[in-house]
Amino acid sequence: EVQLVESGGGLVQPGGSLRLSCAASGFTFSSTGMNWVRQAPGKGLEWVSYISSSSNTIYYADSVKGRFTISRDNAKNSLYLQMNSLRDEDTAVYYCARERDYGGNSAFDYWGQGTLVTVSS
Amino acid sequence: SYEVTQPPSVSVSPGQTASITCSGDKLGDKYTCWYQQKPGQSPVLVIYEDSKRPSGIPERFSGSNSGSTATLTISGTQAMDEADYYCQAWDSSIVVFGGGTKLTVL
Repeated sequence: EVQLVESGGGLVQPGGSLRLSCAASGFTFSSTGMNWVRQAPGKGLEWVSYISSSSNTIYYADSVKGRFTISRDNAKNSLYLQMNSLRDEDTAVYYCARERDYGGNSAFDYWGQGTLVTVSS
Repeated sequence: SYEVTQPPSVSVSPGQTASITCSGDKLGDKYTCWYQQKPGQSPVLVIYEDSKRPSGIPERFSGSNSGSTATLTISGTQAMDEADYYCQAWDSSIVVFGGGTKLTVL
């Protein structure tokens, strides 16, 4: 059974930092691209970042570029999101999502339960 | 930057057909996905590659994409289908989500 379990969320002051983790199991993590997607309270989904299976390819949304860093440790089956210079507008539930390749096209076929990040003074 | 637009809300009577649209410039040239999200839960993939259903998704869910509009269709809508639905596409390698549509079954 595929499982994605996020952790590391919490309350942080504006300008502060936080590191999120996503523990993966039930599939070959080292062969799969992964993403972070966030959802502000009462709002829609917003894609944050993508990392390829070997970490060779990384993308970020403009809203987090230069502040957030995605990484992974395939030996530990874990995905990370280092968030620096946090702003009020970064308050959201952060989901890690597995990206399944359907032969050139992809979709997020499994999502974690999410971890809440609250940026507030 | 690329944007896709959904209606904020759609209402449907039980047993009827619900259609949720997603509009974007030349969206038909891109593949779209649809996700269902119920209150307090994580999103669930219901359609990928415009019209394909993942394993475990009921046949009443279908999708299409042409021109500038992708459509999620739910036939014989059930009360359990009441949820928020999000379309998703790619602009080059950047993922774009629609703003979401709240489907009410009443």
